[in-house]
Amino acid sequence: SAVISQKPSRDICQRGTSLTIQCQVDSQVTMMFWYRQQPGQSLTLIATANQGSEATYESGFVIDKFPISRPNLTFSTLTVSNMSPEDSSIYLCSGELGTTDTQYFGPGTRLTVL
Amino acid sequence: SQKIEQNSEALNIQEGKTATLTCNYTNYSPAYLQWYRQDPGRGPVFLLLIRENEKEKRKERLKVTFDTTLKQSLFHITASQPADSATYLCALDERAGANNLFFGTGTRLTVIP
Repeated sequence: SAVISQKPSRDICQRGTSLTIQCQVDSQVTMMFWYRQQPGQSLTLIATANQGSEATYESGFVIDKFPISRPNLTFSTLTVSNMSPEDSSIYLCSGELGTTDTQYFGPGTRLTVL
Repeated sequence: SQKIEQNSEALNIQEGKTATLTCNYTNYSPAYLQWYRQDPGRGPVFLLLIRENEKEKRKERLKVTFDTTLKQSLFHITASQPADSATYLCALDERAGANNLFFGTGTRLTVIP
């Protein structure tokens, strides 16, 4: 299994600012993902974080708004740029070990934008 | 359009009974389907995975079925306990080895002592 931590666990931010969320895995994972979970809703995949190359974004999400880095097999960051209240959500990262086809999730980062 | 529906937003059952949660999907051809548990303020935790060529999978008190004709998965918890109270999410992936999971809306299960 893999243990995933995220920093910060929560933050309250002002409109127009940016926040970078860090995701650290305790073992090397082949795939890392970023999800958004809005209040009372399920998880929506934002992007797949690719090591050493640009992330692969899902429909409705763009790099300018959600730049992602993955410099190695155990670490990734997601930045929420030029935030608005609509970005208030929980952001979760996950990792997949080898070819297990299952994902391990971090505890999430609860973001509130005022 | 593509949809993954879990037919109950909330389900209350008595301790000791079997809880049955349903996941129906439309316009997907999943290679496999997974069930996760999510507690408040926590990330989802993987429970079970069932592949398209499998009918049933068991793990301790948990059982999952997968009917690709009905486009439905059932998730059972037998001898339910208050500690089983959580939100349960189904998720499916259409492409084996490329793990883009699409999640259902979740069912919040409460087991009443």
